[in-house]
Amino acid sequence: QQPVQSPQAVILREGEDAVINCSSSKALYSVHWYRQKHGEAPVFLMILLKGGEQKGHDKISASFNEKKQQSSLYLTASQLSYSGTYFCGTFGEGAQKLVFGQGTRLTINP
Amino acid sequence: KAGVTQTPRYLIKTRGQQVTLSCSPISGHRSVSWYQQTPGQGLQFLFEYFSETQRNKGNFPGRFSGRQFSNSRSEMNVSTLELGDSALYLCASSFARANGLINEKLFFGSGTQLSVL
Repeated sequence: QQPVQSPQAVILREGEDAVINCSSSKALYSVHWYRQKHGEAPVFLMILLKGGEQKGHDKISASFNEKKQQSSLYLTASQLSYSGTYFCGTFGEGAQKLVFGQGTRLTINP
Repeated sequence: KAGVTQTPRYLIKTRGQQVTLSCSPISGHRSVSWYQQTPGQGLQFLFEYFSETQRNKGNFPGRFSGRQFSNSRSEMNVSTLELGDSALYLCASSFARANGLINEKLFFGSGTQLSVL
């Protein structure tokens, strides 16, 4: 079952913060985050495993709330290079495939 | 190390025709997954191959098929093309383990843009 991402699109000014949410109706084993710039291949950001962990590098971090079957991606002090479409992918219990959400389009303006 | 290579980059076909897309994974990667990307639909999972066997399949009609060769290269075939098959087809490779991709990073190719007229 496809996870639901929110918001579908967001426009920010450089330096502002953004939060992208990913929700599933099923219990999850892991949540994967990817970013795709226009005309390019999706690029891996991070994986969060069951256990309610939080991860981050540079100014991009994420949390995974196992009980709520939710993950959130946090982009702080956004830079122009953060623009793109962000996808979350989930592995649900009993599932053997990585299912992606519909994506969140992030636009960072100067 | 070379990345994931997909060929051709662009394809234009007419309804009813069939098409074969190719994907060469990163050297040493044993898993290849295929996704269909259309505006607003995100990445729809087609299938995953591991060591020449289809390990998982998405909810696509039987017109969509694939295979993986002993060198891990993979092909995807779509028969009797329909207008709705127009999309960007992405393949992704992963080193993978026998127990699946739960904790595996995917490396995507740039995709094949298929237009069906």
